[in-house]
Amino acid sequence: KAGVTQTPRYLIKTRGQQVTLSCSPISGHRSVSWYQQTPGQGLQFLFEYFSETQRNKGNFPGRFSGRQFSNSRSEMNVSTLELGDSALYLCASSVAWGTSPDTQYFGPGTRLTVL
Amino acid sequence: KQEVTQIPAALSVPEGENLVLNCSFTDSAIYNLQWFRQDPGKGLTSLLLIQSSQREQTSGRLNASLDKSSGRSTLYIAASQPGDSATYLCAVPNAGGTSYGKLTFGQGTILTVHP
Repeated sequence: KAGVTQTPRYLIKTRGQQVTLSCSPISGHRSVSWYQQTPGQGLQFLFEYFSETQRNKGNFPGRFSGRQFSNSRSEMNVSTLELGDSALYLCASSVAWGTSPDTQYFGPGTRLTVL
Repeated sequence: KQEVTQIPAALSVPEGENLVLNCSFTDSAIYNLQWFRQDPGKGLTSLLLIQSSQREQTSGRLNASLDKSSGRSTLYIAASQPGDSATYLCAVPNAGGTSYGKLTFGQGTILTVHP
């Protein structure tokens, strides 16, 4: 079974631009979560989607948004990029059939550099 | 607010040593605890997930224990090898009804195993 895939793997943008990152979960997984990883802050939760609905949201400004499609694929968008948005963006998926959190499987990440 | 702490921040050992990585969390009302491995510039690989009702979980040379009441988990690596060199992260889901998809991570332990 294929793992979580993320595209693109690397991205270079300039301040003020916007960017869209994509995540394809493991087949059969219904929940997709996004995280930002930086050397200073570590891994921080952005948001989680389940059945096309955002169920949980972290403490990030409104410039960060996401969505999930009917096939469970997810995208996240960052508008008006700032230098501090440079980070590794990780996507994770889980089955989420039950009511308790289950194992999360992570993709390889998208490395975003803002110049 | 859940806080996760990992000790030590870095560890350098000769090949063959048995070692212990520590993880502590402030809110003991957790569903489970997950240990991950991250190689430089890569995504996270799930190593072990321990449910709150379990005390231990084993996979190969890895053994993770969980003591909910004291808010601690340990990851034991037996007979370490250079290929074990990576950053090890522990994470717990957010407590309560809004836990879905949101993991709180420790800052990680950077492990170096030298030949």
